[in-house]
Amino acid sequence: GAVVSQHPSRVICKSGTSVKIECRSLDFQATTMFWYRQFPKKSLMLMATSNEGSKATYEQGVEKDKFLINHASLTLSTLTVTSAHPEDSSFYICSASLAGVWNEQFFGPGTRLTVL
Amino acid sequence: AQKITQTQPGMFVQEKEAVTLDCTYDTSDQSYGLFWYKQPSSGEMIFLIYQGSYDEQNATEGRYSLNFQKARKSANLVISASQLGDSAMYFCAMRANPNTGNQFYFGTGTSLTVIP
Repeated sequence: GAVVSQHPSRVICKSGTSVKIECRSLDFQATTMFWYRQFPKKSLMLMATSNEGSKATYEQGVEKDKFLINHASLTLSTLTVTSAHPEDSSFYICSASLAGVWNEQFFGPGTRLTVL
Repeated sequence: AQKITQTQPGMFVQEKEAVTLDCTYDTSDQSYGLFWYKQPSSGEMIFLIYQGSYDEQNATEGRYSLNFQKARKSANLVISASQLGDSAMYFCAMRANPNTGNQFYFGTGTSLTVIP
C-alpha cells in the first residue's frame, strides 16, 4: 500500500516554542491530507482537512492560529503548533488520500509531542 | 451528522479463539464506506478491512471478516484464530458520501487483549 511518513516521530519542547511536524506521501500524490490528534487511550479527533494549494478546513473548536497547516505540494503537509503549552502534548497523526480514491486512507506513524 | 459507536471499551479472547468487535453507525448518506483499523502500542494505524455500503458480500481479508448488516447499521469485525500479536486497539471508522466530504469518523475504540 501507499506510504506516508511523519517527521519527527517524537519531539520534546519548552513551553512557548513552536514545533513543526511534517507529513509526506512517499509514493503517491495526495490531494487531501488530514491531521488528527489522539489523547492516551482515546479515539482520533480530526483537527483539519488540508487540501493542496488552498487553506485548510478546521474542525469546530480547533484554533487555526494555534495549529497552522500548510499543504504546499501534493506530497507534503505541515502542522505547526505555535507557542506550545503543556496541554498541547499529544499524539498527532496525519493521513493522506489518493486523488479520486475515497475508500482508503493511509496513515503516518504519528508524532508524539511533549511540551514541558 | 455521522456517528460511529463502539460499545466495548475492552475485550479479552483466548489465543486461537475467534472474537467479534462491535461497531454501529449512523448516517443519512446512501453511499458510505466502513473501515477497521488496528493500532498497536507503537501508535501506527494499520488498515485491516473495508466494506462499501453497496457491497452485497461481507468483506474478508485473511483472518479478518466484516459482518455487515446494513438494515441494523452494524459493521462488526470478526477476528478468527486470534494470535498474541492481535492485542491492540481497534477502531471502526466511516467515510460518508465523497461528494459532501472526505473526512473519516472514528469510533472510540476497543482494546483487545489476547490471552495465551
